[in-house]
Amino acid sequence: QKEVEQNSGPLSVPEGAIASLNCTYSDRGSQSFFWYRQYSGKSPELIMSIYSNGDKEDGRFTAQLNKASQYVSLLIRDSQPSDSATYLCAVSPSGSARQLTFGSGTQLTVLP
Amino acid sequence: NAGVTQTPKFQVLKTGQSMTLQCAQDMNHNSMYWYRQDPGMGLRLIYYSASEGTTDKGEVPNGYNVSRLNKREFSLRLESAAPSQTSVYFCASSESMGQETQYFGPGTRLLVL
Repeated sequence: QKEVEQNSGPLSVPEGAIASLNCTYSDRGSQSFFWYRQYSGKSPELIMSIYSNGDKEDGRFTAQLNKASQYVSLLIRDSQPSDSATYLCAVSPSGSARQLTFGSGTQLTVLP
Repeated sequence: NAGVTQTPKFQVLKTGQSMTLQCAQDMNHNSMYWYRQDPGMGLRLIYYSASEGTTDKGEVPNGYNVSRLNKREFSLRLESAAPSQTSVYFCASSESMGQETQYFGPGTRLLVL
């Protein structure tokens, strides 16, 4: 079982819709959770971080964390074609090393 | 501020050749990382340096060596390149390991023939 799992997609949504991206992780002691966006041919860039259960909103983006169920999700409201990218979930596991583990990413396409 | 810079941007090697990928950051970060990204595999950690003077193996260290030259620079060396090392390599840095955001360089595309 992979430590961080994402649906690879592709996920297609129409412009203006809500895009929902999901991620599950295996280490119950994980403390920190991140969503990175990666445009084709570019490097990943952080869009959201979340550390405690519940929702965290930043503009059109909302991250949701449920540690009991071991999942973290990203909602993108009013999706725009410029949101078309691969979204990477990253988790900082428990233990002293604490390096991030990345999921394989979900490719999102927002259709005009 | 340039952030995280990497050189070269693109490289073609023949099997058995060696090369060093360079990475530098100007954010005064303590921790630096090298990842490789392959289609469908996400980002996999090769080596990391939690602080100046320390380096540790990540998930896929075989065939690579690293040097933390100083606080700014972290290089990745392929001693004898193999076709399986064809990938996109990203360097990243963060203030420290764990909860802090990692900032990525633009990447190096490596093709090993």
